Amino acid sequence: GAVVSQHPSRVICKSGTSVKIECRSLDFQATTMFWYRQFPKQSLMLMATSNEGSKATYEQGVEKDKFLINHASLTLSTLTVTSAHPEDSSFYICSAEGGGPNSYNEQFFGPGTRLTVL
Amino acid sequence: GNSVTQMEGPVTLSEEAFLTINCTYTATGYPSLFWYVQYPGEGLQLLLKATKADDKGSNKGFEATYRKETTSFHLEKGSVQVSDSAVYFCALIEGGYQKVTFGTGTKLQVIP
Repeated sequence: GAVVSQHPSRVICKSGTSVKIECRSLDFQATTMFWYRQFPKQSLMLMATSNEGSKATYEQGVEKDKFLINHASLTLSTLTVTSAHPEDSSFYICSAEGGGPNSYNEQFFGPGTRLTVL
Repeated sequence: GNSVTQMEGPVTLSEEAFLTINCTYTATGYPSLFWYVQYPGEGLQLLLKATKADDKGSNKGFEATYRKETTSFHLEKGSVQVSDSAVYFCALIEGGYQKVTFGTGTKLQVIP
């Protein structure tokens, strides 16, 4: 099946630094990738939709200057949390759409990245 | 807008008990329906899906049937195991759109 990886799986950083999280589709091309944020014991909140070669579409309330998304190729999207603060600590999950003729309208999720800002 | 409603957890069951997690949805069109499972500290894994009315998705002993008349997609398993302990998310994607609408998740704890 379609596999999506994320790197790193865990990151701890100091307040004020920037952190980059990578999301890769390993065995398929994904024109569209999605970034979610999950707070403890809560559901996933869509942050933005990322289309290859174009600007990301952010959900209402998500700061685009805070969460920079780049989708430079069909297999890689990156999320950069700029000037991170403790309130940005969360579990970030990406997903990629596609994966074959039987995967219509299906998203494949990465394993997530746990960000802790001290 | 679209929405997914799941039963609140946590659900605690003994091993080999029967499991039902209720899920109902509202959508303006004809969505595809999904169940995802999240094990502690991990991302989401697709458990099963159904793309049209009366379809039954099944995987690893879990089943769910797409019921258009009751707008439901309840998850069932005949005999749960300790390894099934996880959080289960019901979700939908409406045809032609990309955005996934998730339920709030139901935590399942299976005790030996």
